[in-house]
Amino acid sequence: DTAVSQTPKYLVTQMGNDKSIKCEQNLGHDTMYWYKQDSKKFLKIMFSYNNKELIINETVPNRFSPKSPDKAHLNLHINSLELGDSAVYFCASSQVRGNTEAFFGQGTRLTVV
Amino acid sequence: AQSVTQLDSHVSVSEGTPVLLRCNYSSSYSPSLFWYVQHPNKGLQLLLKYTSAATLVKGINGFEAEFKKSETSFHLTKPSAHMSDAAEYFCVVSASGGSYIPTFGRGTSLIVHP
Repeated sequence: DTAVSQTPKYLVTQMGNDKSIKCEQNLGHDTMYWYKQDSKKFLKIMFSYNNKELIINETVPNRFSPKSPDKAHLNLHINSLELGDSAVYFCASSQVRGNTEAFFGQGTRLTVV
Repeated sequence: AQSVTQLDSHVSVSEGTPVLLRCNYSSSYSPSLFWYVQHPNKGLQLLLKYTSAATLVKGINGFEAEFKKSETSFHLTKPSAHMSDAAEYFCVVSASGGSYIPTFGRGTSLIVHP
């Protein structure tokens, strides 16, 4: 069983569209994250969600919105996609704040054309 | 606040020679430190972690790292590089009591020559 799974793995879409990326973890973790990896491989936190507490990176445009229907899922919805949104997006989860490692999904490569 | 600095963006070694990837961290709280590896077009795999137990940490594939509080460092080493070690390596810090969100360094690309 995959611990953290993301769908889709690849997503190609036109500017202006709205899209969602789904993430599910079967590890029973309390905390989930979304990271964006840019073309230089840098991974930057976008959101952290822990027991209904949402922490937002203030540099993330409000076109991006996380949605968590339950503890095992943290989906990422993106409105009005722009060329600069093209990147690889990683979902992750961890058990205890700061003490244990985060487990990562395989990533979603988003290409906006 | 917490941050990570990976001192080299690229490291090039010959197969069979030692590997050293350098990482310095900053944290207002006792940190947990991790090294992850990312092979091309793949996800992130945990190599090893330090969470306030032994300062010398052994990981997978022959890698190890030493936590040095006085130097605020957590360098990754391997005695003998293999071609399959060529990948991007990330040093990560998180800390209970502070920003628990794992914070990544900018990564070091390890190049292994035959």
